[in-house]
Amino acid sequence: GQSLEQPSEVTAVEGAIVQINCTYQTSGFYGLSWYQQHDGGAPTFLSYNGLDGLEETGRFSSFLSRSDSYGYLLLQELQMKDSASYFCAVRDFRGGYQKVTFGIGTKLQVIP
Amino acid sequence: KAGVTQTPRYLIKTRGQQVTLSCSPISGHRSVSWYQQTPGQGLQFLFEYFSETQRNKGNFPGRFSGRQFSNSRSEMNVSTLELGDSALYLCASSTGQGQRTNEKLFFGSGTQLSVL
Repeated sequence: GQSLEQPSEVTAVEGAIVQINCTYQTSGFYGLSWYQQHDGGAPTFLSYNGLDGLEETGRFSSFLSRSDSYGYLLLQELQMKDSASYFCAVRDFRGGYQKVTFGIGTKLQVIP
Repeated sequence: KAGVTQTPRYLIKTRGQQVTLSCSPISGHRSVSWYQQTPGQGLQFLFEYFSETQRNKGNFPGRFSGRQFSNSRSEMNVSTLELGDSALYLCASSTGQGQRTNEKLFFGSGTQLSVL
């Protein structure tokens, strides 16, 4: 089966850096994605790692190590609006087609 | 380009009833997937449709079903509702193509279903 683990809650100070880790166990792994969801809102895509290494998009970076089945999302220069839930998601191969499975989500609270 | 549209936004039903939720994907997207979101459970995959065919199914009972029309619009049906079916049901669309592509999922705002 598939499983993803990420911390349930993280608190960080405005202007600081926070790292949200994600470990996964799956077969036919293709890539790791990250989504952000504000309370009452729809999840929105942040980043995708198909290969090992770091992907940077503005203040957000995401890292993947396929050999360790591990990835993380790094948020720099935290802003109050970054308070949201962050989900890691694995894309794997099941039943002949790709399938996306989400972690339980990490609720990030940014404090002044 | 219009985003993913889900209707209705809110729904209240009683146990034993059935419900149909609707999802209109982004124009040109042929894949529609459905997720159930409850507090503490994250997003749980229900099923995915591509070109009117169900390609993948999650671990939900047969009371949960869906379909996709030729215009890629999708509906999800839950029969014999139970209290535990109360959740936010999210639909996501994507191009649905490619095995190793950076394929983003675009989510609708969801339908909040309450079963009383």
